[in-house]
Amino acid sequence: QVQLQESGPGLVKPSETLSLTCTVSGGSIRSYHWSWIRQPPGKGLEWIGYIHHSGSSNYNPSLKSRVTISLDTSKNQFSLKLSSVTAADTAVYYCAKGRDGFDPWGQGTLVTVSS
Amino acid sequence: DIQMTQSPSSLSASVGDRVTITCRASQSISSYLNWYQQKPGKAPKFLIYGASSLQSGVPSRFSGSGSGTLFTLTISSLQPEDFATYYCQPSYSTPHTFGQGTKLEIK
Repeated sequence: QVQLQESGPGLVKPSETLSLTCTVSGGSIRSYHWSWIRQPPGKGLEWIGYIHHSGSSNYNPSLKSRVTISLDTSKNQFSLKLSSVTAADTAVYYCAKGRDGFDPWGQGTLVTVSS
Repeated sequence: DIQMTQSPSSLSASVGDRVTITCRASQSISSYLNWYQQKPGKAPKFLIYGASSLQSGVPSRFSGSGSGTLFTLTISSLQPEDFATYYCQPSYSTPHTFGQGTKLEIK
């Protein structure tokens, strides 16, 4: 079955760009939609956005000006870039398969924004 | 944007109890409602889609109902592994705004 694994720096400085990659195994990224969701420590879930294998994407308006989600079909990966980060962007970031319902999820990776 | 309000925000119950969690949408979303279970330090697990359809492998003690603006998640007989936080999520339109969560704790 499909499995997802997030990777990337665990610490990012304020005003810099957060970059994460999700590696998909057990299935091709050339199908379905692929999403990013985050969860600040001790808080609820926030949908960031998704990308379709065709390349079309949809972002949360609250983050849209700072977010880019992209695909690398040669590596069966998709990526998240979030620019101009602040402490409010500190969260566990999850990648997941799906557009309107998310299953499965990666294990999540904690990204801390701090100088 | 569709806003989701879950109640209660926390709930204490015992093994074997029947519990119900409610999720209310700020506008009608037909049956476009998903439920997730999250245990501490783990990713959420997809439980129910379309308000009432169980995802494959989910025990039958879980059930969902509702349409329009009011939805419920019911666990018919709590098991020790069910103590977790539950989130609802509308799948009607973007942005997908999750409910704030209901933490189910052992009494």
